[in-house]
Amino acid sequence: RKEVEQDPGPFNVPEGATVAFNCTYSNSASQSFFWYRQDCRKEPKLLMSVYSSGNEDGRFTAQLNRASQYISLLIRDSKLSDSATYLCVVPFRDSNYQLIWGAGTKLIIKP
Amino acid sequence: NAGVTQTPKFQVLKTGQSMTLQCAQDMNHNSMYWYRQDPGMGLRLIYYSASEGTTDKGEVPNGYNVSRLNKREFSLRLESAAPSQTSVYFCASRQGAGNYGYTFGSGTRLTVV
Repeated sequence: RKEVEQDPGPFNVPEGATVAFNCTYSNSASQSFFWYRQDCRKEPKLLMSVYSSGNEDGRFTAQLNRASQYISLLIRDSKLSDSATYLCVVPFRDSNYQLIWGAGTKLIIKP
Repeated sequence: NAGVTQTPKFQVLKTGQSMTLQCAQDMNHNSMYWYRQDPGMGLRLIYYSASEGTTDKGEVPNGYNVSRLNKREFSLRLESAAPSQTSVYFCASRQGAGNYGYTFGSGTRLTVV
């Protein structure tokens, strides 16, 4: 069973471009979701929380579409340092503690 | 400001050997977690501890045991290692639940031969 699905990529994108990722989910009634960033052979780090109203932080915008059960991440004016794997995280059903992690989308920014 | 500290960083075990992965956090977080990460798969929850004195099974608990020694420390034990337990193990903590994000340790790369 895959309750959280992401396109594994890699997405090869020129520096300065805009790139968008989607993540589809099932079996969650949560009000908040997460995007994490993971660099090669490193631990995941929280990038953004995603609420019903969406969330924007500088070049990054996250949206939640509960009706269609997906969350999105938009990166504008991409930088070389944005190269990483982006993990979508969904709370499991109504659990406060169990999260379901997507396998991640790999992003490669090219100069 | 160490955050979450995991030891060891690397380990090779023979099938049937046992070992304990150590995890400590200095952020006074209530909940702590053990995950494993395998290629092409999302992180999978092994066990978690919502607060000091409690532990609960996650998605893949078989072959593992945990101890929440105190509020700071949460250890993961493999009693009889199997090749299927070859993975990268991450410990994480967070203040509460809901909207709070995790802070992860740097991971333990375990190979069972």
